[in-house]
Amino acid sequence: AQSVTQPDIHITVSEGASLELRCNYSYGATPYLFWYVQSPGQGLQLLLKYFSGDTLVQGIKGFEAEFKRSQSSFNLRKPSVHWSDAAEYFCAVGGLLYGGSQGNLIFGKGTKLSVKP
Amino acid sequence: EADIYQTPRYLVIGTGKKITLECSQTMGHDKMYWYQQDPGMELHLIHYSYGVNSTEKGDLSSESTVSRIRTEHFPLTLESARPSHTSQYLCASSERNTEAFFGQGTRLTVV
Repeated sequence: AQSVTQPDIHITVSEGASLELRCNYSYGATPYLFWYVQSPGQGLQLLLKYFSGDTLVQGIKGFEAEFKRSQSSFNLRKPSVHWSDAAEYFCAVGGLLYGGSQGNLIFGKGTKLSVKP
Repeated sequence: EADIYQTPRYLVIGTGKKITLECSQTMGHDKMYWYQQDPGMELHLIHYSYGVNSTEKGDLSSESTVSRIRTEHFPLTLESARPSHTSQYLCASSERNTEAFFGQGTRLTVV
């Protein structure tokens, strides 16, 4: 069965430090890949997505992610974290289920990011 | 900014009550979804719809039901709420070739 693994449940970084959140998926072909962010009490906001082409994708709020086919990974990065980045981050794959709609998503369990002053 | 709205945002209700969680979108998307999110856990798809009068169950079994009478509206109903239904419910919509846009969620507590 398809699955998405986010191995880090909780990460704490200092403001201004760099960030990398890990995501691995298990699927034979390359699915659509997404990173969403969820602030407390809020819904999910799309940070970035990968469908095909350039394996380094740029998103909103200064985030980027790199798709590595050989590692089945889609890690999220930011060179300098801001206090407002504290939130929960979800990696997801889409387009695999129920007719291939990108809205049918398989999510990882999320990584909670805390930012120290 | 995505225009998808969920009401209520928070709901505390007694066991055995019937409840309906509302979800509306103004983007004209054909596809709509309901996800369930327990604290510290991943989101799971419980229902989806690819158009009016089309509804299907997702990969997580749920006692809830949904309807899609209008394109913009996708309500979720629990006929008899139980404490095990306590969770956050997120509604989303998309087109086939676009990502999903999410509402702000309804946090349901059944006491």
